[in-house]
Amino acid sequence: EVQLVESGGGLVQPGGSLRLSCAASGFTFSSYDMHWVRQATGKGLEWVSAIGTSGDTYYPGSVKGRFTISRENAKNSLYLQMNTVRAGDTAVYYCARVSHYYDSSGYYYWYFDLWGRGTLVTVSS
Amino acid sequence: DIQMTQSPSSLSASVGDRVTIPCRASQTIRSYLNWYQQKPGKAPKLLIYAASRLQSGVPSRFSGGGSGTDFNLTISSLQPEDFATYYCQQSYSSPPFNFGPGTKVDVK
Repeated sequence: EVQLVESGGGLVQPGGSLRLSCAASGFTFSSYDMHWVRQATGKGLEWVSAIGTSGDTYYPGSVKGRFTISRENAKNSLYLQMNTVRAGDTAVYYCARVSHYYDSSGYYYWYFDLWGRGTLVTVSS
Repeated sequence: DIQMTQSPSSLSASVGDRVTIPCRASQTIRSYLNWYQQKPGKAPKLLIYAASRLQSGVPSRFSGGGSGTDFNLTISSLQPEDFATYYCQQSYSSPPFNFGPGTKVDVK
């Protein structure tokens, strides 16, 4: 079955660290760009990080320097190392797979076609 | 950064209604716009990519339109399972790949 399964969430104190994992199955993990997206309770979706097939990484300003995305293709796994966490990092964290489409002019479009169920991170003392 | 806006934040409709959900980008994103549906306690689900292309397996009552800065998602005949929150997301150029704040479709 094609799926993504997140784990590693839990309660962490402000200033602490946590490592999230995302296990991929049913597809060739190494061939896909992967992202993390989070959602605070009752709020909208927030893009958190991305990693390409070559290992290039991207972050928004809100987490840059604190979070690190990585992947281990041999284990079909994606990770998010969260350091110096804050109350505002409390959210459900989803991993998402990127698929793409080329139109007739050769333009490249990408989108999230597969999501995990999410793992809850709570930052509180 | 490109900002995405969705207004209204919620709308009320009845089964069988035609529903249009707008989304606006702060600068042109050409057709680099995706739509997702999310139900409570569930992960988002892709509906539309590249502004107008229907994801495989998504009912044909969903359609997307627009380009540049203004986009819309249309549900031609609202079904009971369509009550949910809908998010647009830009995938143009460089990050951050922001989502809109969402539009919740609820029962009138």
